[in-house]
Amino acid sequence: DAGVIQSPRHEVTEMGQEVTLRCKPISGHNSLFWYRQTMMRGLELLIYFNNNVPIDDSGMPEDRFSAKMPNASFSTLKIQPSEPRDSAVYFCASSLGGPTEAFFGQGTRLTVV
Amino acid sequence: EDQVTQSPEALRLQEGESSSLNCSYTVSGLRGLFWYRQDPGKGPEFLFTLYSAGEEKEKERLKATLTKKESFLHITAPKPEDSATYLCAVQGGEGNAGNMLTFGGGTRLMVKP
Repeated sequence: DAGVIQSPRHEVTEMGQEVTLRCKPISGHNSLFWYRQTMMRGLELLIYFNNNVPIDDSGMPEDRFSAKMPNASFSTLKIQPSEPRDSAVYFCASSLGGPTEAFFGQGTRLTVV
Repeated sequence: EDQVTQSPEALRLQEGESSSLNCSYTVSGLRGLFWYRQDPGKGPEFLFTLYSAGEEKEKERLKATLTKKESFLHITAPKPEDSATYLCAVQGGEGNAGNMLTFGGGTRLMVKP
């Protein structure tokens, strides 16, 4: 398996623009997580899906952020409109569910100027 | 709310100088404790899972242990290639909500030759 695949790897956008980050989880995994990592706050969980259903989105910063999982092999995280404080590395991870380890993608480095 | 605190934030070792990293946690009903390694520009890479107090896991120069309140990652005779950020995470609670991973801030390890 190729592991968790995220795209794009890098994104530079202007403030106010819409940004969409994409994730393909490991085949057979039924749990998917979106994390944001910054130097100041470390790894923060944004949203967690189980069997394509959002279970907990309490970490989503505000209404500008939205996430979808239309099927078991694809998820998106959208920011609209983007702001400079959204600049961070966004990671997607997937797991088999239950008390099992999660596997992370390589991340998307987002820079909003 | 689950909480994870890692110490120290940074650790400098000479090659061959053994040491330990600490992960203190507060969780309602621990389901699993996970150690990850993260290299610059990459996603966290899974190392170990521990499920119950007294459990130990080993991999090359690394050994993870678990008590009811904390976990230690012991590094024996480290090499420069062990330099990375080490992250600790916990899963707690019940049902699908218990699948979420809460991460500590990490320990940045630097091993000098």
